[in-house]
Amino acid sequence: QKEVEQNSGPLSVPEGAIASLNCTYSDRGSQSFFWYRQYSGKSPELIMFIYSNGDKEDGRFTAQLNKASQYVSLLIRDSQPSDSATYLCAVRAGTASKLTFGTGTRLQVTL
Amino acid sequence: DAGITQSPRHKVTETGTPVTLRCHQTENHRYMYWYRQDPGHGLRLIHYSYGVKDTDKGEVSDGYSVSRSKTEDFLLTLESATSSQTSVYFCAISEGTAVLTTFGSGTRLTVV
Repeated sequence: QKEVEQNSGPLSVPEGAIASLNCTYSDRGSQSFFWYRQYSGKSPELIMFIYSNGDKEDGRFTAQLNKASQYVSLLIRDSQPSDSATYLCAVRAGTASKLTFGTGTRLQVTL
Repeated sequence: DAGITQSPRHKVTETGTPVTLRCHQTENHRYMYWYRQDPGHGLRLIHYSYGVKDTDKGEVSDGYSVSRSKTEDFLLTLESATSSQTSVYFCAISEGTAVLTTFGSGTRLTVV
């Protein structure tokens, strides 16, 4: 079992809709959770992080964390074509700020 | 990319040759990392450093070595390149355990 699991997609949503991206993790000691966006041929860039159970909102993005269910999600409201990218879920546990990544979900926002 | 530079950006090398990739940061961050990214596997940690001359292995360290003689530089060496090491390599930096990771632009390595 992979430590961090994501559906590879592609997840296709129409412009203006809400995109929901999901991630599960296996290590109950995980402390911090990150969402990165990666455009094709580019490096990952951080878009959201969450440490506590519940929701965290930043503009059109909302990260949701449920530690009891070992589940973290990313909602993108009013999806735009520029949101089309691969979204990587990452989890940190232990020292040295090491991150364990999922394989990513490819999002396609259609016109 | 937040003061982090990788070189070279692209490299083609032959099987069995040594290869060194360089990561340079201007942020004075303590932690530096090398990841590789492959289709179907996502980003996987190769080695990381938590200070000058302090390094440790990640999940896919076989065939790789690293060195950090200065805060700003973290070198990744493939002692004898193999085709399975064809990948995109990303360097990343972070200031501490509670802080976030920033990635370099990547090095695309092809071993023929």
